[in-house]
Amino acid sequence: GNSVTQMEGPVTLSEEAFLTINCTYTATGYPSLFWYVQYPGEGLQLLLKATKADDKGSNKGFEATYRKETTSFHLEKGSVQVSDSAVYFCALTPRDDKIIFGKGTRLHILP
Amino acid sequence: DAGVIQSPRHEVTEMGQEVTLRCKPISGHDYLFWYRQTMMRGLELLIYFNNNVPIDDSGMPEDRFSAKMPNASFSTLKIQPSEPRDSAVYFCASSPPRGGRETQYFGPGTRLLVL
Repeated sequence: GNSVTQMEGPVTLSEEAFLTINCTYTATGYPSLFWYVQYPGEGLQLLLKATKADDKGSNKGFEATYRKETTSFHLEKGSVQVSDSAVYFCALTPRDDKIIFGKGTRLHILP
Repeated sequence: DAGVIQSPRHEVTEMGQEVTLRCKPISGHDYLFWYRQTMMRGLELLIYFNNNVPIDDSGMPEDRFSAKMPNASFSTLKIQPSEPRDSAVYFCASSPPRGGRETQYFGPGTRLLVL
C-alpha cells in the first residue's frame, strides 16, 4: 500500500541551526511528493512539492529532493528561525485523487 | 480570493446534540476534502468530493457522521448525535482539477468540543 513515514518529534533546535526532517515513503507508481506546514491555530499550507524523481522543491529557504532510489523526500533548511516553529507534514499522492499525510513532526526553534 | 471558508470557527456542544460544520471551497476548485485532526490520531481524511459527488467516504468513522455537497460552493459535515470522542479540529480543503496531485488549500478549521 501507499504510506509515508516521517521522523517523530518534537524536534528542538536553536536559532540558525541546520534542520533535517526525514521522510520516507512507500508507493506504487510515481507519486508526487509534498511538504505541508501547519502554524499554531491554522490549517495546513503547502510548503513545497516535487512531481518526479530528482526534482528539488524549494520555498522560504526550505528544500527537499525527490529520491526514488532511496524512496525519500527529506526536508532541509540551512538556518532556521524562531518563526519556523510549526508542525511539518510529509505527504504523497499516488495515482488516485487522495493525498496521504504522514503523522507530522513538531519543530521548536529556541531563540 | 478569500480562501477556503469554514464556519463556525469554534463549537462547544453537549453530548447527543447535532453538530453541523460548513465549508465554502475556493471558486473553481472541483475537489473538496474533509479532515479531522486530533493529538492521538493525527490528520485523518474523512471524505472527499469531486464535482459535488462523494468519491471516497471510507474514512467516515460511523453512521453518526454524514457529509453533503449540494453545489460547487458549499459543503456540510454533520454529526448526529455527537459524542465526546468527536472532539477534534475539523478541516475542509479544496483543490483544483487533477485533485490530489495539485496543491490542497486548507481552511482555518473548526474546533469542536463535545462535553
